Amino acid sequence: AQSVTQLGSHVSVSEGALVLLRCNYSSSVPPYLFWYVQYPNQGLQLLLKYTTGATLVKGINGFEAEFKKSETSFHLTKPSAHMSDAAEYFCAVSEWTGTASKLTFGTGTRLQVTL
Amino acid sequence: GAGVSQSPRYKVAKRGQDVALRCDPISGHVSLFWYQQALGQGPEFLTYFQNEAQLDKSGLPSDRFFAERPEGSVSTLKIQRTQQEDSAVYLCASNPLREYYGYTFGSGTRLTVV
Repeated sequence: AQSVTQLGSHVSVSEGALVLLRCNYSSSVPPYLFWYVQYPNQGLQLLLKYTTGATLVKGINGFEAEFKKSETSFHLTKPSAHMSDAAEYFCAVSEWTGTASKLTFGTGTRLQVTL
Repeated sequence: GAGVSQSPRYKVAKRGQDVALRCDPISGHVSLFWYQQALGQGPEFLTYFQNEAQLDKSGLPSDRFFAERPEGSVSTLKIQRTQQEDSAVYLCASNPLREYYGYTFGSGTRLTVV
């Protein structure tokens, strides 16, 4: 069964500093990997996804993530944090079972950005 | 529509009351998913539809939970005899079929059982 582990339920960075949110997964087949962002009282917005091909994936709002198969990781980074990045971030893995594909989410990391 | 629409946005139910939550997916999206997100947790899978067929309901927590999508578009998640532990945000998502397209989520329905 697939699973996702997000290290650090809360991460605090200064505005302009590097953002690094960690995600490790387990999957029995080559995974499809996703990062979603959730602002208060809103649904989930797709930041970026890895399916096949290039392992460095660029997403919206300056975020990017690198798929490292040997480390079973898909960490999310942004070179310079902005106040508007404060939100909850979820890593997720998807597998196609032949009849359905289910997203399995991590427990989330709350990003705080301080002045 | 342009996005996934869910209604109501907020629902307060007395314990024991039945509730119905609606999801209107993106037009043409074959796949529809329901997720439950408890406070401080990641979303957890409830059920999956491909068109009108419910192909996976393994995540429904009890037989009080029932979902349908009779015409392959709008879906309704019904919870009978609500309990306090049902309090959560219920998220609906849709995609064209395969996961590599990504999943588009609605804003969710926050259910509070009192």
